[in-house]
Amino acid sequence: AQSVAQPEDQVNVAEGNPLTVKCTYSVSGNPYLFWYVQYPNRGLQFLLKYITGDNLVKGSYGFEAEFNKSQTSFHLKKPSALVSDSALYFCAVRDSFSGGYNKLIFGAGTRLAVHP
Amino acid sequence: DVKVTQSSRYLVKRTGEKVFLECVQDMDHENMFWYRQDPGLGLRLIYFSYDVKMKEKGDIPEGYSVSREKKERFSLILESASTNQTSMYLCASSRQGERQPQHFGDGTRLSIL
Repeated sequence: AQSVAQPEDQVNVAEGNPLTVKCTYSVSGNPYLFWYVQYPNRGLQFLLKYITGDNLVKGSYGFEAEFNKSQTSFHLKKPSALVSDSALYFCAVRDSFSGGYNKLIFGAGTRLAVHP
Repeated sequence: DVKVTQSSRYLVKRTGEKVFLECVQDMDHENMFWYRQDPGLGLRLIYFSYDVKMKEKGDIPEGYSVSREKKERFSLILESASTNQTSMYLCASSRQGERQPQHFGDGTRLSIL
């Protein structure tokens, strides 16, 4: 079955330190991968995507993600965390059985807490 | 910027009521989606639509229906609301194509009493 796993419910990091939010996936064929962020009482905002090409993808707000095919992972990273990065982060993969459509399978989410 | 607007941020209804959640997008997107978000479960797809009057079931369509009479508007209908449908409901839209990201509204927090 296709799935996305975010193994950590919560990640705590001090402001100024690097952060990593982990994501692994299981999907048939080539994966199309996405990261979203959700601030309190808001919808999801698109951060970045991996479709093909360079394994390191850069996105909004200084975030980047590294695609690793052999480990089936797509970890979200930022070199220096800000308190304002505190939010809920979702990893998603395109459902490869959705024909030409962009149906997504989401992970359960990881809450990032950045402490001053 | 893409704007996806959900008509209500908070809604309280009673068991057995018929409930309508409305979503409008202003970017002429072909695809529209309805999800529910529950803690620890992430987002689960209820229905999606790839064109006017077209709809496809998602992973959890039971107890819900949808309507898309105009391209910009996608409605979610709870035919007879039940307490287990208390949740956050998120609408999204996107361009056609498997590589396109989805763009989300701010959600409707629905409580069924």
